Amino acid sequence: QKEVEQDPGPLSVPEGAIVSLNCTYSNSAFQYFMWYRQYSRKGPELLMYTYSSGNKEDGRFTAQVDKSSKYISLFIRDSQPSDSATYLCACLSGNMLTFGGGTRLMVKP
Amino acid sequence: DTEVTQTPKHLVMGMTNKKSLKCEQHMGHRAMYWYKQKAKKPPELMFVYSYEKLSINESVPSRFSPECPNSSLLNLHLHALQPEDSALYLCASSQDPGLEQFFGPGTRLTVL
Repeated sequence: QKEVEQDPGPLSVPEGAIVSLNCTYSNSAFQYFMWYRQYSRKGPELLMYTYSSGNKEDGRFTAQVDKSSKYISLFIRDSQPSDSATYLCACLSGNMLTFGGGTRLMVKP
Repeated sequence: DTEVTQTPKHLVMGMTNKKSLKCEQHMGHRAMYWYKQKAKKPPELMFVYSYEKLSINESVPSRFSPECPNSSLLNLHLHALQPEDSALYLCASSQDPGLEQFFGPGTRLTVL
């Protein structure tokens, strides 16, 4: 079993839809949680970074962490075609970052 | 300056060549990382430098040799690579070990 599980998709939605991306993790030592966006053949771009359980909002993006159920989510409101990318969740313990497998998102005009 | 830069963007090398990848950041970050990413896979950690000292080597073959000349620079020296080493090599940095990591654009390496 992988330490961080993520549905690979692809997830296809119409423009303007609300997107929900999710990960589960198994290691209780994970303390920090991140979401990265990666366009094809580019480096991952940090979108959200959270520590505690609860919600964190930044523009159209909301990150949610539930440590009791070891579940993390990223919501994208008013999705745009430019949001089409692979989204990677990542969990941090010490200086070790463990990634989920990534979800490929396609937002269709 | 809030970015991590990597050179070259693309590199093609033969199995007998010696080449180096370079990474630079001017954010004052004290931890730097090398990752390897194959197509449709997440990044895999290779090395961690913390305060200019190698702190983690994830059992990487000796044909990959990291070097941290100073707190802003990280190199990855390549020698006698195999075709299966072809991948996107990513550099990342964080203010301190254990904080969020920022990635560079990567070097796409092809080994013939």
